[in-house]
Amino acid sequence: EVQLLESGGGLVQPGGSLRLSCAASGFIFTNYAVSWVRQAPGKGLEWVSVSSGSGGSTYYADSVKGRFTISRDTSKNTIYLQMNSLRAEDTAVYFCVKESEVVATLGGAMDYWGQGTLVSVSS
Amino acid sequence: QSALTQEASVSGTVGRKVTLFCTGNTNNIGSYTVGWYQQISHGAPKIVMFGNSLPSGIPDRFSGSKSGTTASLTISGLQPEDEATYYCSTWDYRLSARVFGGGTRVTVL
Repeated sequence: EVQLLESGGGLVQPGGSLRLSCAASGFIFTNYAVSWVRQAPGKGLEWVSVSSGSGGSTYYADSVKGRFTISRDTSKNTIYLQMNSLRAEDTAVYFCVKESEVVATLGGAMDYWGQGTLVSVSS
Repeated sequence: QSALTQEASVSGTVGRKVTLFCTGNTNNIGSYTVGWYQQISHGAPKIVMFGNSLPSGIPDRFSGSKSGTTASLTISGLQPEDEATYYCSTWDYRLSARVFGGGTRVTVL
């Protein structure tokens, strides 16, 4: 059974940093891309970033480029999202999502979603 | 402003057929398969369609199709448990990014 368990959310001041983790199980970790998708309160889904199965290919939404970094630790089957220079508009629930292809550019499905972790950016 | 365009809301009575649309361009829908994701009350989204392929466990009253740069999701025989917000999404090769529609709220009357 595929499971994605996010952690690391919380309250942080504007300009601060936070690192989210996503512990993955139930699939061959290096065979699939993993994305982060967020949802601000009362808003729709917004894609944030994706890492290929090997971690060698990464992409970011323009809204987070230069501030967020996605990475993966294959020894721990864990995906990370390092978030720096946080802004109020980064406040959202962040979902970890498994993709059905090894690289996002193949345009696969987002076939499994975690339950999400809440990030609140406020002074 | 979302890269993919969806209607804000649709409604129907139990048993009726409703069709949701998702419009993009040649860089996204015109080049890639579209996924549809159901979200109930801001819980974790769930995939309900990928192209015209039904994921395991999804009722066959859901069907999907695409014509050019517009994808559609049809629910034939609407059920109360189908009340949710549905998002379309795919990859955009010009943006090098995944794009979402703004979501369509489906209400079962």
